[in-house]
Amino acid sequence: GDSVTQMEGPVTLSEEAFLTINCTYTATGYPSLFWYVQYPGEGLQLLLKATKADDKGSNKGFEATYRKETTSFHLEKGSVQVSDSAVYFCALSDYGGSQGNLIFGKGTKLSVKP
Amino acid sequence: EPEVTQTPSHQVTQMGQEVILRCVPISNHLYFYWYRQILGQKVEFLVSFYNNEISEKSEIFDDQFSVERPDGSNFTLKIRSTKLEDSAMYFCASINRGGTDTQYFGPGTRLTVL
Repeated sequence: GDSVTQMEGPVTLSEEAFLTINCTYTATGYPSLFWYVQYPGEGLQLLLKATKADDKGSNKGFEATYRKETTSFHLEKGSVQVSDSAVYFCALSDYGGSQGNLIFGKGTKLSVKP
Repeated sequence: EPEVTQTPSHQVTQMGQEVILRCVPISNHLYFYWYRQILGQKVEFLVSFYNNEISEKSEIFDDQFSVERPDGSNFTLKIRSTKLEDSAMYFCASINRGGTDTQYFGPGTRLTVL
């Protein structure tokens, strides 16, 4: 079945460092891909998404490109801030993202030190 | 900004007891979901609900689980006879089929079965 694998955490970075969180997926069809973020004590919030190959999702300085050839959707940010400390979840939807259930990775906890 | 709410934030129960987790989805949303996350593991899909019936469920969602939308605003998940392995964070989500494919998540209910 469909699955998502993301890098194990926790990841600890200094402020202004470059961030990469790797995510790869397995899917039989053409899924939509998502990054969700969970700040302490809050629910999951959509950070960015991409619905087809070579699409780039971006938001709040974060980017991820849908790479069909490598089945990847790595999250990047050029300069992290303390406020980016959270748990990041990679996910896919097998119905084009409009009604299907989401399949999540395990989550990667990011801590940014001042 | 409208948001999904969940109550209680933390529920402690004895094994074998029934619990009801409550969610209030965003008011104009049409599809509703429950997910769970056992500590340290992936967020897993449980069930989706549309037009007052289950539209999809995972293998986790066995006869011990049921969902209901009793009054047009609440969306509940009932576990009839809790087991130790039901201890997890339970997330509710909703989606508006009218123009967006973003699932909006609540903050979660942490269920602890003793």
